Amino acid sequence: DTGVSQDPRHKITKRGQNVTFRCDPISEHNRLYWYRQTLGQGPEFLTYFQNEAQLEKSRLLSDRFSAERPKGSFSTLEIQRTEQGDSAMYLCASSLGESGELEETQYFGPGTRLLVL
Amino acid sequence: AQSVTQLGSHVSVSEGALVLLRCNYSSSVPPYLFWYVQYPNQGLQLLLKYTSAATLVKGINGFEAEFKKSETSFHLTKPSAHMSDAAEYFCAVSRAQKLVFGQGTRLTINP
Repeated sequence: DTGVSQDPRHKITKRGQNVTFRCDPISEHNRLYWYRQTLGQGPEFLTYFQNEAQLEKSRLLSDRFSAERPKGSFSTLEIQRTEQGDSAMYLCASSLGESGELEETQYFGPGTRLLVL
Repeated sequence: AQSVTQLGSHVSVSEGALVLLRCNYSSSVPPYLFWYVQYPNQGLQLLLKYTSAATLVKGINGFEAEFKKSETSFHLTKPSAHMSDAAEYFCAVSRAQKLVFGQGTRLTINP
């Protein structure tokens, strides 16, 4: 049973560049979530998918951010025109989506640490 | 809005001593509560979760937490700390598929 994987693990970029992160959820999981974690803080919700449908987006997800899950499997998170304030750990999580539980357990990947210079 | 507050951003205990990490929640409806652990440069690992089945919840690595509605608390405990317990611990509340995390408590174990 492989867990949630994320690629790359680390990314250094210059301000103004675009970056894209990938998340591969646990294979049978239908729900996929993105969170952002800045230094010394807990993760903050960004968005989530049920299969390929993006069901909710946080106010934190500005117009420069876009997330996709085109075939209901892996997901990408793109940040356009990066700013220094985008420096953070970007965490992906997945959950079963069909367990019948009201609030399912989310399983997290190792994260992608972004540094914008 | 639902939220959690973790009291104490840093907790330091001696190896073998009791670990107590505090979490208080704010919720107008019965909450679903979680404790996650994060080791350096890694993602979050679930320790345990409360879903109203039992007030005392046992998790992995010898941790447990007790849900106390009267105190709106969900504190995490471990009877005897081990060096490998050194990590960041996050309490979270879930509502409509979103996890809302506290700011975290960094646990340091002294030899």
